[in-house]
Amino acid sequence: NAGVTQTPKFQVLKTGQSMTLQCAQDMNHEYMSWYRQDPGMGLRLIHYSVGAGITDQGEVPNGYNVSRSTTEDFPLRLLSAAPSQTSVYFCASSYVTSGRHEQYFGPGTRLTVT
Amino acid sequence: QQPVQSPQAVILREGEDAVINCSSSKALYSVHWYRQKHGEAPVFLMILLKGGEQKGHDKISASFNEKKQQSSLYLTASQLSYSGTYFCGTAVQAGTALIFGKGTTLSVSS
Repeated sequence: NAGVTQTPKFQVLKTGQSMTLQCAQDMNHEYMSWYRQDPGMGLRLIHYSVGAGITDQGEVPNGYNVSRSTTEDFPLRLLSAAPSQTSVYFCASSYVTSGRHEQYFGPGTRLTVT
Repeated sequence: QQPVQSPQAVILREGEDAVINCSSSKALYSVHWYRQKHGEAPVFLMILLKGGEQKGHDKISASFNEKKQQSSLYLTASQLSYSGTYFCGTAVQAGTALIFGKGTTLSVSS
């Protein structure tokens, strides 16, 4: 099993550009989520999904879109990048079974917006 | 919404003990603990479900007080490998979003 994979590992964007961060998992997990991590702020939830075709907003959804057309993939789209979106982005996945959904994190994408 | 962790930072020598607390203003279904090393992804440590259970993992254990909506992570006889940032994540229902605290940085020196 590859677990949770994220691409790219590093990305530099100019303000106003758009891009998609990719996330895939091969564990047949129903639940997938995106977090951003900034110094001193912990992990903040952007969007999450409890299954294909179902998504919901987290704590900081503005400026980001998601869709979940398959169980395996959960891409995060930045519509018009802003310097405030400079961050490390983590994708995570888990089962939704009896609440024991320990999350497995991908390696992260380090994004810089200039 | 975000759970509150305390303290923000802990400095220990090898062999010393530490306690990290996590509290929420909401009624919780579960509390999750993760450890993150610098430059790496968070790694799962343990889950505690409502009911006040206590769990252990080597010399790291945790408790969940459902009445207080508070969880504590206990690190005993700390080792250099325990260094990192510890996060608690909380969920109000089974299968719902996991919201993390800001983290507690633990530094263990020899």
